[in-house]
Amino acid sequence: EDQVTQSPEALRLQEGESSSLNCSYTVSGLRGLFWYRQDPGKGPEFLFTLYSAGEEKEKERLKATLTKKESFLHITAPKPEDSATYLCAVQALSSGTYKYIFGTGTRLKVLA
Amino acid sequence: DTGVSQNPRHKITKRGQNVTFRCDPISEHNRLYWYRQTLGQGPEFLTYFQNEAQLEKSRLLSDRFSAERPKGSFSTLEIQRTEQGDSAMYLCASSLIQGQGENIQYFGAGTRLSVL
Repeated sequence: EDQVTQSPEALRLQEGESSSLNCSYTVSGLRGLFWYRQDPGKGPEFLFTLYSAGEEKEKERLKATLTKKESFLHITAPKPEDSATYLCAVQALSSGTYKYIFGTGTRLKVLA
Repeated sequence: DTGVSQNPRHKITKRGQNVTFRCDPISEHNRLYWYRQTLGQGPEFLTYFQNEAQLEKSRLLSDRFSAERPKGSFSTLEIQRTEQGDSAMYLCASSLIQGQGENIQYFGAGTRLSVL
């Protein structure tokens, strides 16, 4: 069964304390892996898309990487405004159709 | 480009009532998706449209749920005979698909439904 698992469920960091969030997946026919940020009461906001193992994308303090089984979202020197839930999603080919499967997210809290 | 718009933002209803939500996608996007999200969970896929055609429905979408996208523009999601278990955030997303290209979905702010 196609599955996306994110860890940790929650993470508290001091401002400036770098860390990584993990997204592991078990899917067939991966067509892309997506990272989103979601603030409370709002819809997910697109951050990155990755398509092949070894690919990396960067945006400000965030860097996403992809292997054949997992993706990491590295946060360098985070600030309190980086506090949010970070969602990972995969687009996979299943039974002839494409499915978009989300993980449950990592709730990040950055303390000043 | 004003992004994906959803209305209403909040809906409170009594059990057994019908509710309808509206989603206006990004204007040139040909695909429109509906998701449901409960507290502490990621969005769960419900259904999607390519232009006006509804191409896939999740098993989560019971007979009480119906979605339309007339003329391939805005979409509505109706829930009939609401139950307390329907309480959730309902998210709409849209994307532009060209051939086998990437499918980046852009989300609206959602409609939060509370069934009393």
